[in-house]
Amino acid sequence: DQQVKQNSPSLSVQEGRISILNCDYTNSMFDYFLWYKKYPAEGPTFLISISSIKDKNEDGRFTVFLNKSAKHLSLHIVPSQPGDSAVYFCAAKRVGTASKLTFGTGTRLQVTL
Amino acid sequence: GAVVSQHPSWVICKSGTSVKIECRSLDFQATTMFWYRQFPKQSLMLMATSNEGSKATYEQGVEKDKFLINHASLTLSTLTVTSAHPEDSSFYICSARDPTGVNQPQHFGDGTRLSIL
Repeated sequence: DQQVKQNSPSLSVQEGRISILNCDYTNSMFDYFLWYKKYPAEGPTFLISISSIKDKNEDGRFTVFLNKSAKHLSLHIVPSQPGDSAVYFCAAKRVGTASKLTFGTGTRLQVTL
Repeated sequence: GAVVSQHPSWVICKSGTSVKIECRSLDFQATTMFWYRQFPKQSLMLMATSNEGSKATYEQGVEKDKFLINHASLTLSTLTVTSAHPEDSSFYICSARDPTGVNQPQHFGDGTRLSIL
């Protein structure tokens, strides 16, 4: 049972344009959401997070939007840069489970010149 | 920033061998560490939660006698894959929770690629 889903396995965006990565979840008990970036043969690196009490969080070129009613979040990267090319995972934490994370399946972003 | 070191990064060994993977938090004390497994093109699947000074909590379907976890200090957790077989070949990643950080973030190691021949 995949509680966190990233339905797009890959995405290609031109440098300078906006990248939008999507994530859907099914468990309404999730109260905190995170995005991680991962290069091959490396561990994930934390990018940005959002609490369920907010609908938007921004950090530089990265913005995460949360739509609780739709159980949907998205990561916007603007402008996209070639160094952003990586696999992006969304993750969610559930109330009362400390830091236990449930990960999505990942979206491979390719930023082209 | 916070760093988690994981060793070794790559292991190739014969079937039946036991393999130990170490996970260290380098600049913070981690009472809780996590072990994940990732198959190619799939998500990170949590295997177990490692708590300093107590037994690990395993996720459903993970054999605790197969994947031995020891968290003997606040900066070190080890995962031992006992009597490894080819189906155990995978990418194993640890993370450590920083209890002092905002929202107690998890910091990940760079993973261990385990290949069983």
